[in-house]
Amino acid sequence: QKEVEQNSGPLSVPEGAIASLNCTYSDRVSQSFFWYRQYSGKSPELIMSIYSNGDKEDGRFTAQLNKASQYVSLLIRDSQPSDSATYLCAVKGNTNAGKSTFGDGTTLTVKP
Amino acid sequence: GAGVSQTPSNKVTEKGKYVELRCDPISGHTALYWYRQSLGQGPEFLIYFQGTGAADDSGLPNDRFFAVRPEGSVSTLKIQRTERGDSAVYLCASSSSGGGDTQYFGPGTRLTVL
Repeated sequence: QKEVEQNSGPLSVPEGAIASLNCTYSDRVSQSFFWYRQYSGKSPELIMSIYSNGDKEDGRFTAQLNKASQYVSLLIRDSQPSDSATYLCAVKGNTNAGKSTFGDGTTLTVKP
Repeated sequence: GAGVSQTPSNKVTEKGKYVELRCDPISGHTALYWYRQSLGQGPEFLIYFQGTGAADDSGLPNDRFFAVRPEGSVSTLKIQRTERGDSAVYLCASSSSGGGDTQYFGPGTRLTVL
């Protein structure tokens, strides 16, 4: 079992819809959670970070964290074709400061 | 300001050769990370520097891989006796400190071992 698991995808949504991306992690002591967007051939770009249980909103993006369920999600509202990319979930543990563990990503396609 | 830079952007080498990959972090960032990413997978942690010292090298796959950061800024990832399985994109990231801080990634070096 991988330490960070994501929907295998690919995920396809129509323009304007809500895209929902999910991630589970195995290390219960994890304290920091990140969503990165990676366009094809490019490096990962941080779009959201979350540290406490609950929701965190930034524009069209909402990250949700539930530490009891070891689950983190990303919602993208009013999806745009420019949101088409691979979304990577990353987790940082309390005892391994610095190291991030990434999932394998979910590829999202937003169709006009 | 300038972001993380990596050189070369592409490196093609033959099996058994030695390669060096360079990372120049964001100015003032004390933490520097190396990851590698294979096609269809997420980045895989290799090593993390805090200043000049390697704080965590648990991700280095074997003793053919070595990294240095002698002055606490630029870092070099060194791979000896390259193997075809080393082919991947090598990503460098930096952050202002360890813990939960944001990691900013460079563009990566695509290494191809023939």
